[in-house]
Amino acid sequence: QVHLVESGGGVVQPGGSLRLSCAASGFIFSSHGMHWVRQAPGKGLEWVTYIRSHAREKFYADSVKGRFTISRDNSQNTLYLQMNSLRVEDSALYFCAPNFGSGDYPRIDSCGQGTLVTVSS
Amino acid sequence: DIQMTQSPSSLSASVGDRVTITCRASQDISNYLAWFQQKPGKAPKSLLYAASTLQSGVPSKFSGSGSGTDFTLTISSLQPEDFATYYCQQYNSFPLTFGGGTKVEIK
Repeated sequence: QVHLVESGGGVVQPGGSLRLSCAASGFIFSSHGMHWVRQAPGKGLEWVTYIRSHAREKFYADSVKGRFTISRDNSQNTLYLQMNSLRVEDSALYFCAPNFGSGDYPRIDSCGQGTLVTVSS
Repeated sequence: DIQMTQSPSSLSASVGDRVTITCRASQDISNYLAWFQQKPGKAPKSLLYAASTLQSGVPSKFSGSGSGTDFTLTISSLQPEDFATYYCQQYNSFPLTFGGGTKVEIK
């Protein structure tokens, strides 16, 4: 059974940094690409970033490009999101999700429960 | 970027009703479309992918159709546990994009 546990959220001032983690179990982590998706309070879903299984390719939403970095440790079955230069508009619940489909068309499968990031002065 | 437009943004329905939600892509996405259900305070749950393929464990009252730019999600007989917000999402190309959501409420 797929199990995803996000952590690392919290309250941070604008311009600050946070590193989110996603501990994965129940599937072969190293064989699957992984996404981060976020949801601002009361708003819809927004895709943030994706990393392929081998970590050699990464993709970002324009809203976070140059500020956020996705990475993974396949030996620890863990996904990361380093968030720098945080803005108020980055405040959201952040979910990690695997892609169990094709590498060329990376769908979003099950999500964890999320970790809350609040950017406020 | 590919824009995903859902309609309606909200609807009221009764238990037992058949409900249809539509999703339109701003360009051809073949069948690289997924549908998600989200209940308040919960993570989104994937219902279907490839426009019409049910995720494991999802009941068959949910069905999807479409290809290209126009897609539908149908719930054949609405039950109390189906009242939620539904999102479509394209994964044909980066950046992946979601529709704005359809809130299904009790009439």
